[in-house]
Amino acid sequence: NSKVIQTPRYLVKGQGQKAKMRCIPEKGHPVVFWYQQNKNNEFKFLINFQNQEVLQQIDMTEKRFSAECPSNSPCSLEIQSSEAGDSALYLCASSRQTNSDYTFGSGTRLLVI
Amino acid sequence: QQQVRQSPQSLTVWEGETAILNCSYENSAFDYFPWYQQFPGEGPALLISILSVSDKKEDGRFTIFFNKREKKLSLHIADSQPGDSATYFCAASESGTYQRFGTGTKLQVVP
Repeated sequence: NSKVIQTPRYLVKGQGQKAKMRCIPEKGHPVVFWYQQNKNNEFKFLINFQNQEVLQQIDMTEKRFSAECPSNSPCSLEIQSSEAGDSALYLCASSRQTNSDYTFGSGTRLLVI
Repeated sequence: QQQVRQSPQSLTVWEGETAILNCSYENSAFDYFPWYQQFPGEGPALLISILSVSDKKEDGRFTIFFNKREKKLSLHIADSQPGDSATYFCAASESGTYQRFGTGTKLQVVP
């Protein structure tokens, strides 16, 4: 049973539609990460937060992807206009600090048709 | 550019044998190396990790051997069990940054 809760488990969207997924980090973990895992098992880092503030993010995230981690609410990752290439498993992880063990959620599997 | 590489891509061992999974990296600034185990339909779960100041870390049947000079490490799974059948990911990071992942080794343990 994962201590990081991700919802929904599955998400099906048409091209151009918005896709939003949520993550509740493990209690006591102020750092939250979002990764995209594709069918070839490549992990692509998207963005991370520490106490609601963005630490790092990749260029892709700045364009169609947006994310936030408000206090006392689940973190979220949203794709503004889904593309077929966005189909992947989106993993949320949390940790006590950036360079320590991650606890992953079960992921949200996005299919863009 | 793949900063963390794993081999082999897939591995089959008999129950009771030792499975050896390999990992190499390029960035000499990496100082923290976790291994994750992932079953189908689940997220990765931390298995064992090592800091670059150590050359070996053991936890039950799982052992990491680390060679800083060659930028290589390996995960040894002793007395492999069918329940160990999963995909194993090596990751690496340096202080203050996110982890970089390899593309995994799919392990199958045959009874």
